[in-house]
Amino acid sequence: DAGVIQSPRHEVTEMGQEVTLRCKPISGHDYLFWYRQTMMRGLELLIYFNNNVPIDDSGMPEDRFSAKMPNASFSTLKIQPSEPRDSAVYFCASRTSGTGVTGELFFGEGSRLTVL
Amino acid sequence: KQEVTQIPAALSVPEGENLVLNCSFTDSAIYNLQWFRQDPGKGLTSLLLIQSSQREQTSGRLNASLDKSSGRSTLYIAASQPGDSATYLCAVPDQGGSEKLVFGKGTKLTVNP
Repeated sequence: DAGVIQSPRHEVTEMGQEVTLRCKPISGHDYLFWYRQTMMRGLELLIYFNNNVPIDDSGMPEDRFSAKMPNASFSTLKIQPSEPRDSAVYFCASRTSGTGVTGELFFGEGSRLTVL
Repeated sequence: KQEVTQIPAALSVPEGENLVLNCSFTDSAIYNLQWFRQDPGKGLTSLLLIQSSQREQTSGRLNASLDKSSGRSTLYIAASQPGDSATYLCAVPDQGGSEKLVFGKGTKLTVNP
């Protein structure tokens, strides 16, 4: 398997523009997570899905952020409108649900977002 | 809320040295603990996953231990090499056995040739 695939790898945009980040999880994985990483705050969970259903979005900073998972092989994280403080690396990760045992989490390479 | 602390924040050692990285967490009701490696500009790579019923897990030169009662884990790296230079992060489930993982801020390791 190719692993978790994210696009774009780098995005530079201006304040106020809409940003869409994309993720393809590993085939067969039924959990998908979106994390954000900054120097100041480290890795923060934004939202996660189980079987394409959003389970916990309490980490989403505000209404400007939204995430969807229309099918098992695709998810998007959208920021509209973007602000300079949204500049960070956004990671997508996926894993299987074991029989009572949680499996390893696999990360994509990340999308580095810079909002000017 | 689960909090994860990693000490030291940075470590520089000469090649060949054995070393220990530390991770502590506040809520001991965890079902597993994971250690990850992150290279600059890259995603996180899972190194070891220890189930709550285990006390340690080994992979090559890496050995991770888990002491749930004290809320601590260590990652032991034997005979370190320059290629081990990276940031190492540990992660545990959030309070209450959540599916959410809480990450430490990592230890940045530099192994000098």
